[in-house]
Amino acid sequence: QSALTQPASVSGSPGQSISISCIGGNSDIGNYNLVSWYQQLPGIAPKLFIYEVSKRPSGISHRFSGSKSGNTASLTISGLQAEDEADYYCCSYAGGNTWVFGGGTKVTVL
Amino acid sequence: QVQLVESGGGMVHPGTSLRLSCEASGFPFKMHGMHWIRQAPGKGLDWVAVVWHNGRIKEHADSLKGRFIISRDNSKNTLYLQMDSLRVEDTGVYFCAREGDSGTYSFDLWGRGTLVTVSS
Repeated sequence: QSALTQPASVSGSPGQSISISCIGGNSDIGNYNLVSWYQQLPGIAPKLFIYEVSKRPSGISHRFSGSKSGNTASLTISGLQAEDEADYYCCSYAGGNTWVFGGGTKVTVL
Repeated sequence: QVQLVESGGGMVHPGTSLRLSCEASGFPFKMHGMHWIRQAPGKGLDWVAVVWHNGRIKEHADSLKGRFIISRDNSKNTLYLQMDSLRVEDTGVYFCAREGDSGTYSFDLWGRGTLVTVSS
């Protein structure tokens, strides 16, 4: 159950697009289309933003999109806004009723 | 109101035990798998354990097997985490989370968390 690998930080200017990568392995991301992404604001519980690689829950902006290629998943934020500044975590089902998270990425809006 | 409310956290000494609870309301608790996820201070999320909707299947993170046990009581709409032989590195906020509808394998509802501090 090794943690997924995310960049520690990503930044962008308002209006730009940024992407956050999430690197796993053949036993998690590479084997299941069950990647989810969570946004966490300071001092608040995480919130689901993407599930099953690319699906958005009701109420989540279309500016957020997810994708996957091989063992790597990605979250893209288009039209970056100040309110998007937060920590983002990827998570994948890893088989055998276990899940694994990434280390988290801090998104800064310049 | 659809919500999860954790309780039972606190400050304890290494080697002692603690039982966390998570009370669910506003949705059919018995229809959802439930998870515990923790976050050490200033660190990332760490998946702890899952229990299926009917309580028959449980799984724990390898590093916690033998010390932590997840359980649920569907008659009380409550999820539990029994934590034994606590270590300093178990310090953190413990969240309970609902697994989404069948097949999504994601966490669509979270509680606010309860803080566990293990210190001598």
